[in-house]
Amino acid sequence: GENVEQHPSTLSVQEGDSAVIKCTYSDSASNYFPWYKQELGKRPQLIIDIRSNVGEKKDQRIAVTLNKTAKHFSLHITETQPEDSAVYFCAPIQEDSGGGADGLTFGKGTHLIIQP
Amino acid sequence: DAGVTQSPTHLIKTRGQHVTLRCSPISGHKSVSWYQQVLGQGPQFIFQYYEKEERGRGNFPDRFSARQFPNYSSELNVNALLLGDSALYLCASREWGTDTQYFGPGTRLTVL
Repeated sequence: GENVEQHPSTLSVQEGDSAVIKCTYSDSASNYFPWYKQELGKRPQLIIDIRSNVGEKKDQRIAVTLNKTAKHFSLHITETQPEDSAVYFCAPIQEDSGGGADGLTFGKGTHLIIQP
Repeated sequence: DAGVTQSPTHLIKTRGQHVTLRCSPISGHKSVSWYQQVLGQGPQFIFQYYEKEERGRGNFPDRFSARQFPNYSSELNVNALLLGDSALYLCASREWGTDTQYFGPGTRLTVL
């Protein structure tokens, strides 16, 4: 099975600064790499994802980079705002043509704190 | 357009009891997955169902079971509840063959 590690477990940054969260995985067959954001008491929500044939993807202030050789991918948030405060989870998975038989394996999460 | 819905929102049970949690997927989504999220941890995969058949199972004891109905809604059953079963139970749906899973608001189960 997939072993997933996230670093750091807690990240505190000043509002307006950038934040980077790294996810390391073990299964070289993983080909889909999503990041989820979970605010306190709410459901996880997909914020960005990337597939193995792409090295980087950006959506406004959020970007994800992938290094398949080293088996890690990172979430980058620029110009952080108070509403970015949440727990962020990575969940790499191998998706096959049948839609995948196994569920997502989540990391333990990174608590991002935006200091005003 | 409604998202994934779950019921009940909160539930309190005592050890040894059983519980049934319910999930309705997004319209058109035929795949439903269940996850357990213990406080301070990431969600852990329990089951995946597609077209009423179990397609995947995580590392959970046989006390956990699930089923999917013809309308693609799903139930998660847990028997002989333990204190350690206290968690947020999340349901997620997706279109078969696509990657993105959409989560419901969860059911908060407390076992006393």
